[in-house]
Amino acid sequence: DAGVIQSPRHEVTEMGQEVTLRCKPISGHNSLFWYRQTMMRGLELLIYFNNNVPIDDSGMPEDRFSAKMPNASFSTLKIQPSEPRDSAVYFCASQVSPGGPDEQFFGPGTRLTVL
Amino acid sequence: DQQVKQNSPSLSVQEGRISILNCDYTNSMFDYFLWYKKYPAEGPTFLISISSIKDKNEDGRFTVFLNKSAKHLSLHIVPSQPGDSAVYFCAASAGAQKLVFGQGTRLTINP
Repeated sequence: DAGVIQSPRHEVTEMGQEVTLRCKPISGHNSLFWYRQTMMRGLELLIYFNNNVPIDDSGMPEDRFSAKMPNASFSTLKIQPSEPRDSAVYFCASQVSPGGPDEQFFGPGTRLTVL
Repeated sequence: DQQVKQNSPSLSVQEGRISILNCDYTNSMFDYFLWYKKYPAEGPTFLISISSIKDKNEDGRFTVFLNKSAKHLSLHIVPSQPGDSAVYFCAASAGAQKLVFGQGTRLTINP
């Protein structure tokens, strides 16, 4: 299996621009998670989906952030407009649901830099 | 309101010695605890976990200890090897898939 696929791996953009991060979960996994990693706060859960439905978006920092999962094999995290403080590594993870918390598989991440 | 805290950003250990990584939590509803390992340019990978009904879980060179009264857990790696050099994240869950992670500790194993 190819694992969780994220694109792009690196994104550099200017403040005010729209940024779209993409994720393809492992085939057969029906739960998908978006995390953000920063030095200060470590890994933070932004939002997660079960069967393409958003279950908990309490970690989404602001209305500038939005996430969609139009089908079982694709999800996007969009930031519009982007700001320098959004610079971080964004991870996508997937697992089979129901399942234990130790069954999440992470993608390689997208490193976002907002200038 | 960091519910899971790793107070040591970094740790350096001699190869062959024991590495001890620590983690504290505040939410008494957490009932499952995990450690993830992360290499540069890769996503975190699951390492070991422990349920709140246990106080110790061992897997080869890795042992996790849980002290519920102190709301503290630790990861012991013995003997430490160069390939153990990575960032280690502590995480906790409260009966669901949602994980709360700490800030991470960068472990460096020196030859």
